[in-house]
Amino acid sequence: KNEVEQSPQNLTAQEGEFITINCSYSVGISALHWLQQHPGGGIVSLFMLSSGKKKHGRLIATINIQEKHSSLHITASHPRDSAVYICAVRIRGNEKLTFGTGTRLTIIP
Amino acid sequence: NAGVTQTPKFQVLKTGQSMTLQCAQDMNHNSMYWYRQDPGMGLRLIYYSASEGTTDKGEVPNGYNVSRLNKREFSLRLESAAPSQTSVYFCAGTSSGALETQYFGPGTRLLVL
Repeated sequence: KNEVEQSPQNLTAQEGEFITINCSYSVGISALHWLQQHPGGGIVSLFMLSSGKKKHGRLIATINIQEKHSSLHITASHPRDSAVYICAVRIRGNEKLTFGTGTRLTIIP
Repeated sequence: NAGVTQTPKFQVLKTGQSMTLQCAQDMNHNSMYWYRQDPGMGLRLIYYSASEGTTDKGEVPNGYNVSRLNKREFSLRLESAAPSQTSVYFCAGTSSGALETQYFGPGTRLLVL
């Protein structure tokens, strides 16, 4: 079993819909990252969370440390949000990140 | 400010050939990483360097060597390429502290025939 599990693996939605992508992990962590990978391949960091909630534009990330779960929400989704969203955790006491396999999001106009 | 750069962007090798993937950053990162990305799998850490002069193995180090030449540069070498090393390789650097962020290079697509 992977230490980081994302769901769903694939998600297709209509433009304007509210999107939720989930990430669950099984180890103690010091930080959780959400990353975005566009079809061209480049990877961009969206958020780093250690507790609570962060918001940037239409993107909101939350984390529940007790439940070992994080969600990434996109409000008023747009076709340009189509990408693979990757969750990664920094295991407590470790320099390294462990990555989920990603959620492929497609927003249809 | 170029961020994290990688060369080459694309490479085709024959089995047994060697090559070095170059990575450089101008963001003053102490920590740098090499990952590989394969279809259906998450990014997997090959090697990392917590500071200049130090390197450590990651999850999948076999068949690779690294060199942290200075704070800016972190290279990945394949001594004898194998088809199983066909992948997309990403270099990354990390800003540390409360605003910890991973900055990725654009990737190198490697095909080993």
